[in-house]
Amino acid sequence: DTEVTQTPKHLVMGMTNKKSLKCEQHMGHRAMYWYKQKAKKPPELMFVYSYEKLSINESVPSRFSPECPNSSLLNLHLHALQPEDSALYLCASRNRGGGSPDTQYFGPGTRLTVL
Amino acid sequence: QKEVEQDPGPLSVPEGAIVSLNCTYSNSAFQYFMWYRQYSRKGPELLMYTYSSGNKEDGRFTAQVDKSSKYISLFIRDSQPSDSATYLCATEGTNAGKSTFGDGTTLTVKP
Repeated sequence: DTEVTQTPKHLVMGMTNKKSLKCEQHMGHRAMYWYKQKAKKPPELMFVYSYEKLSINESVPSRFSPECPNSSLLNLHLHALQPEDSALYLCASRNRGGGSPDTQYFGPGTRLTVL
Repeated sequence: QKEVEQDPGPLSVPEGAIVSLNCTYSNSAFQYFMWYRQYSRKGPELLMYTYSSGNKEDGRFTAQVDKSSKYISLFIRDSQPSDSATYLCATEGTNAGKSTFGDGTTLTVKP
């Protein structure tokens, strides 16, 4: 099973709402990622968890809060977002977090619209 | 200057054509080179992963890396309408799995 799943597929929220994005993988991967992708742009790295510890935070605003409850799950908690945060949010996982030949698998993404 | 520059496209070719997609990179510390395919409204899918200079072939796809000129290419033979997608090149050094992506090239293969 080489699948990364993400829920929900689509999310519409107001600027005062609190919501969460969820990501799950059962490949035994120890590194999990959150990316943000705007239309016609490449994915932008937001956070990396390696062995369930936050290892990279790309200076993302605090209205985005990641959480890694266990090695299979990754959450992204959203609060007080702005309309410019509307984007496709991608989760990815890989075996060892880089530095060696291993494959990064992306989920299908959650399309977020902030009104 | 961006660390990874990708030929912008868009690219439109007839079915059966050979397609060449290209990127250059500036950081000589990059050691791993990837090509992803992304269909509209989907997540990227890894197509090819190479470590060293040279060619790597997988079916109709060939990835080529020239570290001396910092140039990476993806060739698609006998292109099909199902190849219509955005292709992203990406590179990595040894820094905890942080990929640097090109901006992507959108390919349309017309029947």
